[in-house]
Amino acid sequence: GAVVSQHPSWVICKSGTSVKIECRSLDFQATTMFWYRQFPKQSLMLMATSNEGSKATYEQGVEKDKFLINHASLTLSTLTVTSAHPEDSSFYICSAKAIPNTEAFFGQGTRLTVV
Amino acid sequence: AQTVTQSQPEMSVQEAETVTLSCTYDTSESDYYLFWYKQPPSRQMILVIRQEAYKQQNATENRFSVNFQKAAKSFSLKISDSQLGDAAMYFCAYRTRRETSGSRLTFGEGTQLTVNP
Repeated sequence: GAVVSQHPSWVICKSGTSVKIECRSLDFQATTMFWYRQFPKQSLMLMATSNEGSKATYEQGVEKDKFLINHASLTLSTLTVTSAHPEDSSFYICSAKAIPNTEAFFGQGTRLTVV
Repeated sequence: AQTVTQSQPEMSVQEAETVTLSCTYDTSESDYYLFWYKQPPSRQMILVIRQEAYKQQNATENRFSVNFQKAAKSFSLKISDSQLGDAAMYFCAYRTRRETSGSRLTFGEGTQLTVNP
């Protein structure tokens, strides 16, 4: 299957700072990328959907000014958590898909801890 | 909106035995995909099996098979000859075939599977 690389795998940041998470499709061009958030022992909750070259579509309840998503190229999407607070600590997972109706492949996730 | 329900938060099975994980879903659509994903302790999401709603035949992948009951909106996963490496969180997921949705997945709550030696 296709490979999606997410970086970093884990990050610790101070409260009030911003942190950027990258999601790259290594061997295919991703027209759409998805960002999920997962709390311990819970399911994946979709935060936003991003299409290359256009603004991301955020799910209800997700603050778009806090979780900035950029999908500037067909192989890279970034999620920036701005002014992070301890309650933003979570596991963030991206997935990427290429042509319509193909599978979405997942990155390995990023564990964010805000102290 | 579609919903996916996994009513078993935890399940356990003896190594080499068979276990079935339950999943029900709700949708008004007739054409869609259903998936089972595995999330081991590494937390990497791994696709286990996929079923297309228009296909009556149940999907199988080696030791993994599904029982897809479209009318009942049920999609269970059977793991045969369970192995220690099967221990993980398992998520059932739904995706519409409508392209306008962008292929977003709707996940169930997950079932934590323990395999006992």
